[in-house]
Amino acid sequence: LAKTTQPISMDSYEGQEVNITCSHNNIATNDYITWYQQFPSQGPRFIIQGYKTKVTNEVASLFIPADRKSSTLSLPRVSLSDTAVYYCLVGQDSSYKLIFGSGTRLLVRP
Amino acid sequence: GAVVSQHPSWVICKSGTSVKIECRSLDFQATTMFWYRQFPKQSLMLMATSNEGSKATYEQGVEKDKFLINHASLTLSTLTVTSAHPEDSSFYICSARVGGDYEQYFGPGTRLTVT
Repeated sequence: LAKTTQPISMDSYEGQEVNITCSHNNIATNDYITWYQQFPSQGPRFIIQGYKTKVTNEVASLFIPADRKSSTLSLPRVSLSDTAVYYCLVGQDSSYKLIFGSGTRLLVRP
Repeated sequence: GAVVSQHPSWVICKSGTSVKIECRSLDFQATTMFWYRQFPKQSLMLMATSNEGSKATYEQGVEKDKFLINHASLTLSTLTVTSAHPEDSSFYICSARVGGDYEQYFGPGTRLTVT
């Protein structure tokens, strides 16, 4: 399973766009990139998943360059309720285990 | 759809007693369920993988005799913390997946406090 590296924390203000970058230099050919969001005392929530180029849903966009060694989660116009920890996960083995890294703690200020 | 529940949401128990936590998939059948624990300000740590009708597979360093996992049906997995001690106090989270589906669905978690 590919190891991921993310910034430990980020600060932003309401209404701004936030980009969180994840590094995964050892990503395998078959690996997908998945992002989860976790609020305090809650289970993680799936945000978005992608394999290459760009994926967009109603919540976020995921940008993946051609070499796939990194990815960027983009949250448009964040609000206070987007304050959470964001985890980037890469790949799964045949048992579908998810290995969580340290995540990025995003704080959105008024 | 794809809702996973946990019961109880929080529990306080005395040292030396056992506690059972339930994880249910409410609107789908889960071929595989996973159990995680999370200490304050830390990431989730996978404890074990549970497949319906078979023994759980524990991650390295997790005591299988202390954390008993039973996956008796496609909608229910239980985690029993036996002879709990204060160091077992943590946030326990389960997740479930449908066979062939990449996505995992997480429960809301159970806060265990051992006094």
